Amino acid sequence: AQSVTQLDSQVPVFEEAPVELRCNYSSSVSVYLFWYVQYPNQGLQLLLKYLSGSTLVESINGFEAEFNKSQTSFHLRKPSVHISDTAEYFCAVSPSGYQKVTFGIGTKLQVIP
Amino acid sequence: DAGVTQSPTHLIKTRGQQVTLRCSPKSGHDTVSWYQQALGQGPQFIFQYYEEEERQRGNFPDRFSGHQFPNYSSELNVNALLLGDSALYLCASSLASGTGTFFGPGTRLTVL
Repeated sequence: AQSVTQLDSQVPVFEEAPVELRCNYSSSVSVYLFWYVQYPNQGLQLLLKYLSGSTLVESINGFEAEFNKSQTSFHLRKPSVHISDTAEYFCAVSPSGYQKVTFGIGTKLQVIP
Repeated sequence: DAGVTQSPTHLIKTRGQQVTLRCSPKSGHDTVSWYQQALGQGPQFIFQYYEEEERQRGNFPDRFSGHQFPNYSSELNVNALLLGDSALYLCASSLASGTGTFFGPGTRLTVL
């Protein structure tokens, strides 16, 4: 079984400031790791994923996440946030790319002008 | 390339009624999963269908059932609705040999 812990339920940050959203996971097997973003009243969009290889993965809109196996973490970072980044972010794990996805409770990122 | 589509967008039912939600997977995907997202929570896995059979199931009662058609589209049925079934229902599709799961926009179900 897998579980995901997102340590912060809400993160307020000023525009153009850096941000880190924390995620820890637990699993008895190797897992794939994901970050999804959910804008208000919308479904989930895949932001980035770690399958294997380089432990640093990047998205097209400036977010990056680093897989740390020893700390079982997959924190999400962005060096400079924009108002449009205001959304809820979900960390998730899956035993493969197609099996059941287990989500954390989500972190609401609020970017303050 | 159309992504995952779901219908209807919103639905209002009363307790005890039955509801059917529909999903078309992303083009080329053969696996469909359903998730329930209650307000303020992360999505919870309901079940997954592959080759028209339920392959995996989460901790949901038998009131929740599903079906997958030969064209890979899927339905989620919920019987004897309870107030606690009010949630956003998300459909997700993937390829059995793939490396990612893609979600639809969801159906917002309100049970009064």
